[in-house]
Amino acid sequence: EAQVTQNPRYLITVTGKKLTVTCSQNMNHEYMSWYRQDPGLGLRQIYYSMNVEVTDKGDVPEGYKVSRKEKRNFPLILESPSPNQTSLYFCASSILGGSTGELFFGEGSRLTVL
Amino acid sequence: GIQVEQSPPDLILQEGANSTLRCNFSDSVNNLQWFHQNPWGQLINLFYIPSGTKQNGRLSATTVATERYSLLYISSSQTTDSGVYFCAVAIRYNFNKFYFGSGTKLNVKP
Repeated sequence: EAQVTQNPRYLITVTGKKLTVTCSQNMNHEYMSWYRQDPGLGLRQIYYSMNVEVTDKGDVPEGYKVSRKEKRNFPLILESPSPNQTSLYFCASSILGGSTGELFFGEGSRLTVL
Repeated sequence: GIQVEQSPPDLILQEGANSTLRCNFSDSVNNLQWFHQNPWGQLINLFYIPSGTKQNGRLSATTVATERYSLLYISSSQTTDSGVYFCAVAIRYNFNKFYFGSGTKLNVKP
């Protein structure tokens, strides 16, 4: 089954404790991206990757890091989480990004930072 | 960046009613999609529609790219249509960045 898989789905952590949210897709897509969803703000793009070793900032990259060492994986790293990073996070992939084709989303990861 | 505005922000319907959701965007786009976020938070692809008209069962969508808007039509609404509907666009000169509207929250009552 074609899918985007995120882990963990739910996480409660404390300020400053590094964490990684993993994202994996099995569709051989070139493009992957991360979003956060906050009430009343829709989804905002954090980072995206056009291919292996090629990443760029979205609209809200502060406090996040990403890497793309393999085509199928695109982890989101919070080096020192803060309460304002409490949010619902989505990973998505697409064949070639916005130039063509659809975005497919994972099921989301709900993160709470205390 | 591009502005993406959705209307109405909230909509309450009786089961069986029809509705039209609108998405306006402020720049030329390369990509436009509609999503449904169900009550469990999952984002479901409805339409990839940078231009033209598409239909899928009770849902259809039209994008008039030259006038910078898209419409999502829901006919004979059902309670399972409840949730939030988002449109998302990617602009022509930076098509790797996606922008989402704030969504239309739909509540279909039985």
